[in-house]
Amino acid sequence: SAVISQKPSRDICQRGTSLTIQCQVDSQVTMMFWYRQQPGQSLTLIATANQGSEATYESGFVIDKFPISRPNLTFSTLTVSNMSPEDSSIYLCSVAPGGTDTQYFGPGTRLTVL
Amino acid sequence: KQEVTQIPAALSVPEGENLVLNCSFTDSAIYNLQWFRQDPGKGLTSLLLIQSSQREQTSGRLNASLDKSSGRSTLYIAASQPGDSATYLCAVRLAAAGNKLTFGGGTRVLVKP
Repeated sequence: SAVISQKPSRDICQRGTSLTIQCQVDSQVTMMFWYRQQPGQSLTLIATANQGSEATYESGFVIDKFPISRPNLTFSTLTVSNMSPEDSSIYLCSVAPGGTDTQYFGPGTRLTVL
Repeated sequence: KQEVTQIPAALSVPEGENLVLNCSFTDSAIYNLQWFRQDPGKGLTSLLLIQSSQREQTSGRLNASLDKSSGRSTLYIAASQPGDSATYLCAVRLAAAGNKLTFGGGTRVLVKP
């Protein structure tokens, strides 16, 4: 299994600003995933972050809007840039530790943009 | 494109009744299927993982079945308790899609004491 923490747990931001969300895992993992859950919706994958390479973004998500860093095998950040109210969502990171197919999720960051 | 549907969207049962949650997917070339629980405003807790070669998985009061050919999975929760109240999500991983999970819309469950 994996224990994942995220910071901040929630934030209220003004439109036009940026927020960086941190994800920390208690073990080394090759890939980390960032998901978005808009109000009343299910989860949508934003991007996959591999250590030492650029993140791979899903259709509809771009690096300029959601830059991701992956400096080592236990940590990643997701920045939500130039925010608008439509970015109000829960952002979750997840991992699939080596040797298991199970994906584990962090507690999420609840973002509200005014 | 894989699409995952969960019906019903919401379910309310009295305590002690068995819960039956359905998940259907359009592309049967899956690698595995995972059931999650999400409490309000929280992250996801993994409940069960079924590999594409398996027919079912059990953990305590939870049993999940998989019929890949018909594109269906069912999560059974026996003898429901108020603490089972949550949203239940199924997610499918396609064999050709790496680790990407495609989620259903979830079933919101309320177990009344």
